[in-house]
Amino acid sequence: KQEVTQIPAALSVPEGENLVLNCSFTDSAIYNLQWFRQDPGKGLTSLLLIQSSQREQTSGRLNASLDKSSGRSTLYIAASQPGDSATYLCAVRQTGANNLFFGTGTRLTVIP
Amino acid sequence: GAGVSQSPSNKVTEKGKDVELRCDPISGHTALYWYRQSLGQGLEFLIYFQGNSAPDKSGLPSDRFSAERTGGSVSTLTIQRTQQEDSAVYLCAAGSYEQYFGPGTRLTVT
Repeated sequence: KQEVTQIPAALSVPEGENLVLNCSFTDSAIYNLQWFRQDPGKGLTSLLLIQSSQREQTSGRLNASLDKSSGRSTLYIAASQPGDSATYLCAVRQTGANNLFFGTGTRLTVIP
Repeated sequence: GAGVSQSPSNKVTEKGKDVELRCDPISGHTALYWYRQSLGQGLEFLIYFQGNSAPDKSGLPSDRFSAERTGGSVSTLTIQRTQQEDSAVYLCAAGSYEQYFGPGTRLTVT
C-alpha cells in the first residue's frame, strides 16, 4: 500500500523567506501527484498537479518538483507571505487507481 | 473549487442515529470521490464513483457506511447507527484527472 510522508509536520518562517516543503512516497508507480492547501475549517484547494512524466510545475510563487524514481516531491514557496499560512498536503494517485493517497500535511505559519 | 458543494456544513448527531451527507458536483464531473479526514487518521479514501456506479468501495470502514449517486450528479453518503469514532470531516471531490474538493461536512457524534 502506498504510504505518503511529509516533513516537517510544522514550520514557522518570517515573512519574505523562501521555503521548501517535502513529500515522499513509497511506491514509485504513480500516475500523478497533487499539492493542496487547506485553511482551518475549510476544504482543500488544489495548488499544483504534476504528471508522472513531468519533473516540475510552476504557478506564481509556487514550484513543485517530482523525482519519481526516488519517491520524492518538493513544494517551493518563494517570498512567503502571511496569507500563505495554511496546511499543505501532498497526495499521490497510483497508476491504475483513481483515489488519492494523502500525506499528513505540513502546517506552515508565516510570521509578519 | 470547480463548483463542488456539500451539505450540511456541520452535523451533530446522537450515537446510534443515521445520518446522510450530500455532495453536489455542480460542474458535472463523471468521477466523484468521498474521503474522510479525522484527527488520528489524516485523509482517507472511502469510495469512488464513475457515473452512477461505484467500482471502488474499498475504503468504506464498515457495512454501516453506504453511498449512492443518481443521475451522474448528486451523491449521498449514509452512515447508519453512528458511533463516536465516525466523528470526522467528510470531504467530497470531483474530477477524472485533477481532483477538486468541496468544503466538507463536519460530523460530530455525541
